[in-house]
Amino acid sequence: DGGITQSPKYLFRKEGQNVTLSCEQNLNHDAMYWYRQDPGQGLRLIYYSQIVNDFQKGDIAEGYSVSREKKESFPLTVTSAQKNPTAFYLCASSIDPNPTSGRAMVFGPGTRLTVL
Amino acid sequence: RKEVEQDPGPFNVPEGATVAFNCTYSNSASQSFFWYRQDCRKEPKLLMSVYSSGNEDGRFTAQLNRASQYISLLIRDSKLSDSATYLCVVNPNDYKLSFGAGTTVTVRA
Repeated sequence: DGGITQSPKYLFRKEGQNVTLSCEQNLNHDAMYWYRQDPGQGLRLIYYSQIVNDFQKGDIAEGYSVSREKKESFPLTVTSAQKNPTAFYLCASSIDPNPTSGRAMVFGPGTRLTVL
Repeated sequence: RKEVEQDPGPFNVPEGATVAFNCTYSNSASQSFFWYRQDCRKEPKLLMSVYSSGNEDGRFTAQLNRASQYISLLIRDSKLSDSATYLCVVNPNDYKLSFGAGTTVTVRA
């Protein structure tokens, strides 16, 4: 079955450490996204990539980095520069990079990151 | 002003009841609209797209009012399994989708 996998499901990090969250999709989707969800808030866009070897900052990119070396993979690194990293991180993909097409996006199961 | 605003609820309804709620959006140029469902501590999943003329999917009906810039979701004959948080999703520009914080619905037996 096609879908998006994220690992790990739960991640604990000490302050000052960088951590990398994995996101893999086998849907052959061109566009991939990283969102962050905090309680009582809507999802906020961290980074997005419309095509391999290209990515763009979203609304809250500070303290994060990404790479898109393969179509199916879009890992997110949470660096020590991110001041409040504890959150639920969701990776998503869409067959069409242009949301105005009406094509919805598919989400992975998420990674819960807790900074100790 | 937030791009997408929703009443957080919770809406507590008995099984079999009808529940409806709205979502307002700020960018009049938005072209795509969706409702996603999110269960507790899970990822959002697409419930339905919202079309200009309104559309139904079983017990769910979605409406779009461009003049007043809101979309609505109505759930008929509520089931216990409908208990979830419903996210309103709008695209304000070419590359992104904006998400509301969600409306929580709890259906009781």
